[in-house]
Amino acid sequence: SAVISQKPSRDICQRGTSLTIQCQVDSQVTMMFWYRQQPGQSLTLIATANQGSEATYESGFVIDKFPISRPNLTFSTLTVSNMSPEDSSIYLCSVGEGGSKVGELFFGEGSRLTVL
Amino acid sequence: GNSVTQMEGPVTLSEEAFLTINCTYTATGYPSLFWYVQYPGEGLQLLLKATKADDKGSNKGFEATYRKETTSFHLEKGSVQVSDSAVYFCALRGSGNTPLVFGKGTRLSVIA
Repeated sequence: SAVISQKPSRDICQRGTSLTIQCQVDSQVTMMFWYRQQPGQSLTLIATANQGSEATYESGFVIDKFPISRPNLTFSTLTVSNMSPEDSSIYLCSVGEGGSKVGELFFGEGSRLTVL
Repeated sequence: GNSVTQMEGPVTLSEEAFLTINCTYTATGYPSLFWYVQYPGEGLQLLLKATKADDKGSNKGFEATYRKETTSFHLEKGSVQVSDSAVYFCALRGSGNTPLVFGKGTRLSVIA
């Protein structure tokens, strides 16, 4: 299994500011995803982080609001831009294998953001 | 597209009671099925999985069987403990480079 480190683990942010969340994995992984878990809710996929190319966003999520980088197979960042209180959530990085090696995904501890 | 429908909670049980949390899915092809658990204040972790029809996943006394004919993956435990109190998520993953699709989650509270 992969060990995933997310930073920050939590933060309190002001409306209108932006915050970048980092995800570091202890091994090279094929697939990296970013999820959002709003209070008391399930996990919603934001985007697939593609190594060396633009992320693939799910319906309802756009690059201007959630820019993502993935410079290599062990690291990715998610930025939450121009934050509003509705962005208060836990943001989770998830990794796993793809192609013919479909299996479980592993999750970081999450980054809990509170926007005032 | 792929989707997961999960029994709504919350579920409250007494210690040593039998647990069932229902989960059904809609998917093209042959997905892999998972149960994840989120204990209070902790991250999401895999509880068990099954990758093909009739497979039974099991862990920590929990079991779930991949039923293709009923498109179901119900979670069961014969005797729950207070330490099983958590939120349980049913999820599926299709073939290829696909993410997990989650159900809404079921909060379980076990009282002594």
